[in-house]
Amino acid sequence: DTGVSQDPRHKITKRGQNVTFRCDPISEHNRLYWYRQTLGQGPEFLTYFQNEAQLEKSRLLSDRFSAERPKGSFSTLEIQRTEQGDSAMYLCASSLSSGSYGANVLTFGAGSRLTVL
Amino acid sequence: DQQVKQNSPSLSVQEGRISILNCDYTNSMFDYFLWYKKYPAEGPTFLISISSIKDKNEDGRFTVFLNKSAKHLSLHIVPSQPGDSAVYFCAAMEYGNKLVFGAGTILRVKS
Repeated sequence: DTGVSQDPRHKITKRGQNVTFRCDPISEHNRLYWYRQTLGQGPEFLTYFQNEAQLEKSRLLSDRFSAERPKGSFSTLEIQRTEQGDSAMYLCASSLSSGSYGANVLTFGAGSRLTVL
Repeated sequence: DQQVKQNSPSLSVQEGRISILNCDYTNSMFDYFLWYKKYPAEGPTFLISISSIKDKNEDGRFTVFLNKSAKHLSLHIVPSQPGDSAVYFCAAMEYGNKLVFGAGTILRVKS
């Protein structure tokens, strides 16, 4: 297992276009998280899935953002009608939820950097 | 509403000396705390954690201390090495759900 994979690593788009990011988690992990990070800030929670169910969405996640995890494996994060304020690093993480805290440590991917012109 | 705060944006330490990174939190429901390290162009990497039932956890050169009454935790790195230069994020978890991160502290270890 090569860890959490994210694609593309960098996306440049024009304002108003739609973009989609993909995340492939560690195969045995049942939880998948999306975070957003801007310069000088820590990662901010967007949403997370347990298997295919989306359990929580942040109020940061406007209706232009949608995330899916159709078969409980990979996930996609789509941003419609992008705005310059969407420019950020989008981080995906996965974990194995269990009764043990140690197993719920999040493993992050390298991120997908979005630049909206 | 910042629930996890890292008030020092940066820290510079001489190689071989101790690095102390601090973190404060406001949510008393947090019950698990983690430190992540991040290099440029990479995602955050898990470093060390501590549950709220403990006040200290040690892993090699890294020790995390938790003071629940003060809602404060700290990460000690002894001895500091140039390869430790990175951004360090403090994070907290409530009931095994999502992590809430601080803004990070840039650590520079000078050789």
